[in-house]
Amino acid sequence: AQSVAQPEDQVNVAEGNPLTVKCTYSVSGNPYLFWYVQYPNRGLQFLLKYITGDNLVKGSYGFEAEFNKSQTSFHLKKPSALVSDSALYFCSMRGADTGRRALTFGSGTRLQVQP
Amino acid sequence: EPEVTQTPSHQVTQMGQEVILRCVPISNHLYFYWYRQILGQKVEFLVSFYNNEISEKSEIFDDQFSVERPDGSNFTLKIRSTKLEDSAMYFCASSERGGPLTQYFGPGTRLTVL
Repeated sequence: AQSVAQPEDQVNVAEGNPLTVKCTYSVSGNPYLFWYVQYPNRGLQFLLKYITGDNLVKGSYGFEAEFNKSQTSFHLKKPSALVSDSALYFCSMRGADTGRRALTFGSGTRLQVQP
Repeated sequence: EPEVTQTPSHQVTQMGQEVILRCVPISNHLYFYWYRQILGQKVEFLVSFYNNEISEKSEIFDDQFSVERPDGSNFTLKIRSTKLEDSAMYFCASSERGGPLTQYFGPGTRLTVL
């Protein structure tokens, strides 16, 4: 069975500092990996994805994520956090080698950026 | 930028009643999905739909649930006889046919069963 883990319920960072939101996964075969962000009373907004190729992927609003196959991780990063980045972040995955399209989600990490 | 839309934003119903949640996927997308998120829990997959039939469903998606694309734009989730434990946020998503099928989500419908 496949699974996604986000080990931190909350991450606190000062504005202007770099941020990392952690994600690890478990799947048989290769993964497709995604990050979504949820602002209050809004839906899940797509940020970025890893499909294949370069392990560092860049997405919306200056976010990037690094795929590490040996550590089965896909951590979300941003060099300089903004207060407006404060939101709930979800890592998700589907297996690339199956016909299944259902996404498996992590439990979410709340990012709080302090001014 | 095209978006997935969902109506209503909040639905309150009595236990045992039928509810229909509505979604308008992005217009050129061909795959449609429903997920739910019970308060404080993970987002869970319910069902995917392609070419007018269910292509995949989870254990949650039992006989109480059904999906339909009644016309060229709407995609609906029906719960026949709601239970208290159906209270959740329900998200609709859609994706294009090719590639890794990035799923784009709507804002959700909060269903409260009393």
